[in-house]
Amino acid sequence: GENVEQHPSTLSVQEGDSAVIKCTYSDSASNYFPWYKQELGKRPQLIIDIRSNVGEKKDQRIAVTLNKTAKHFSLHITETQPEDSAVYFCAAGRKGNKLTFGTGTQLKVEL
Amino acid sequence: ETGVTQTPRHLVMGMTNKKSLKCEQHLGHNAMYWYKQSAKKPLELMFVYSLEERVENNSVPSRFSPECPNSSHLFLHLHTLQPEDSALYLCASSQVRGGGTEAFFGQGTRLTVV
Repeated sequence: GENVEQHPSTLSVQEGDSAVIKCTYSDSASNYFPWYKQELGKRPQLIIDIRSNVGEKKDQRIAVTLNKTAKHFSLHITETQPEDSAVYFCAAGRKGNKLTFGTGTQLKVEL
Repeated sequence: ETGVTQTPRHLVMGMTNKKSLKCEQHLGHNAMYWYKQSAKKPLELMFVYSLEERVENNSVPSRFSPECPNSSHLFLHLHTLQPEDSALYLCASSQVRGGGTEAFFGQGTRLTVV
């Protein structure tokens, strides 16, 4: 089955700096790679996703890159703000829509 | 409330009790999922129902029993649980197509087994 690894498990940045979270996956059949943000006490919510026919996608301050050959994808957050503090999960999905999640990254944006 | 709704939000039960968690989705999706979230395994897939048929059971102990009576409702029946089963149980739904699609999560049920 699919195995998704996520690093780092915790990340502290200064407000205004960039943050990068990286994930690798094992199943070459995976074709959908979403990123979820979970604020304390709330449900995970999709913030951006990318499909295997695209190498990069950007939405304002967040961007995701995908390298299918190397089977890794990354989340980039620029100009971080305190409200970006949360747990971020990457996931890999394929036909049938089973999503396998990474272990999460606790991001803390310090003033 | 729209989206994915879970009840109850909090549940405390003894090891000999029987209880059920309920999930309802108002998005017209055709697949529903149960996830377990704990400190040890942040988002662990338990069960997948697609078109009301269970298509996946990730080696979950038999003390957890899912039920999907229709595409909008999903239950998780609990009996003789252990303290290590204490966790946040999240329900999710999605629309299954040829490729992967976004999963929408409920608020979760915080379960404590005493």
